[in-house]
Amino acid sequence: DTEVTQTPKHLVMGMTNKKSLKCEQHMGHRAMYWYKQKAKKPPELMFVYSYEKLSINESVPSRFSPECPNSSLLNLHLHALQPEDSALYLCASSQDLTSGTDTQYFGPGTRLTVL
Amino acid sequence: AQSVTQLDSQVPVFEEAPVELRCNYSSSVSVYLFWYVQYPNQGLQLLLKYLSGSTLVKGINGFEAEFNKSQTSFHLRKPSVHISDTAEYFCAVSDMRSNTGKLIFGQGTTLQVKP
Repeated sequence: DTEVTQTPKHLVMGMTNKKSLKCEQHMGHRAMYWYKQKAKKPPELMFVYSYEKLSINESVPSRFSPECPNSSLLNLHLHALQPEDSALYLCASSQDLTSGTDTQYFGPGTRLTVL
Repeated sequence: AQSVTQLDSQVPVFEEAPVELRCNYSSSVSVYLFWYVQYPNQGLQLLLKYLSGSTLVKGINGFEAEFNKSQTSFHLRKPSVHISDTAEYFCAVSDMRSNTGKLIFGQGTTLQVKP
């Protein structure tokens, strides 16, 4: 099974709301990623977790808060977002971070609209 | 630092015709090279990757790519495309020495296959 699942598929939220995105994989991968993708653009890396510890934060605003409760699950908590945060949020996983050779497996994404 | 340039933002082609999507990279260190495809409303999927060895790499769905170190290129080819190949294609590199999992993506090429 090479599937990464993401919920919800779509999310509409106001600027004062708090919501969470969820990502799950059961491939035994120990590295998990959050990306943001705007229309017609490549994905932009936001966070990387390795063995459930935050490894990389690409200077993401604090209104985005990642969490990795266990090796299969990755959350992204959202609070006080801006309309420019509207995008497709992609989760990915890979075996680990010991080399740059590992394939990243992507989920289908959550399309977020901030009103 | 690395950068990736995909030379064509859009490539229209008729069904059953051959296609080449061009990718050039710039890096002061050795890199691994990847091609990912993103079908409409989906996440990214690995087509193929070059790690070492033979410079001609075969991937899924009949795609192949050739690594040319002197030209710093990694062009993607398919001898005969199908309507179902219509998608966004991303070339990406990762630093061989890195243990961050970071992929540097090109801006993407939209392949439009016409009947």
